[in-house]
Amino acid sequence: EVQLHQSGAELVKPGVSVKISCKASGYSFTSYNMHWVKQRPGQAVEWIGVINPESGGTDYNGKFRGKVTLTVDKSSSTAFMQLGSLTPEDTAVYYCARDVGSSGYWYFDFWGPGTMVTVSS
Amino acid sequence: DIQMTQSPASLSASLGETVTIECRASEDIYNGLAWYQQKPGKSPQLLIYNANSLHTGVPSRFSGSGSGTQYSLKINSLQSEDVASYFCQQYYDYPYTFGAGTKLELK
Repeated sequence: EVQLHQSGAELVKPGVSVKISCKASGYSFTSYNMHWVKQRPGQAVEWIGVINPESGGTDYNGKFRGKVTLTVDKSSSTAFMQLGSLTPEDTAVYYCARDVGSSGYWYFDFWGPGTMVTVSS
Repeated sequence: DIQMTQSPASLSASLGETVTIECRASEDIYNGLAWYQQKPGKSPQLLIYNANSLHTGVPSRFSGSGSGTQYSLKINSLQSEDVASYFCQQYYDYPYTFGAGTKLELK
């Protein structure tokens, strides 16, 4: 059974960084790209970026470039997202999501449960 | 970036009714569109991919259609468990973008 387990909620102060994790199980971790998305109440979901777990190659939404760093640890089948220089606007639920598809069309068939990040002084 | 305009923002319908939710892309996305269902406090679940393909395990009362810039999700014979939010996503081009969502409630 495919599962994506995300780290717990974070309460952090403005200006610091946070690193959240997404541990995959039930499938070959390096065979599927991992995406990260941001969801704030009342706003459209935003795509942050994607990482290829096999190569470590990444693509970022320009809006988040410089704010986010995506990495993986193949030995533990875990993807990480580091968010830096946090502001209250970074308060959101962050999801990891596995992609699947073909011919350049990749959609999300499994999502993690989400990690709530709250930025407050 | 490709803009996804979803409508309506909210919808109230009766059990057994048929409902339709629409998404319009700011440019042709060549059927690179998915629909997701999200219940409160839960992560999104894939319903439809490639505009009209039903994801494994999704009830057949859900269907997707459309092409070019116009796409729709139809739910036939609304059930109580369909009360949720629904949103579309284009994956034709980076950055992937999402519709703002439709909150479906029972009348």
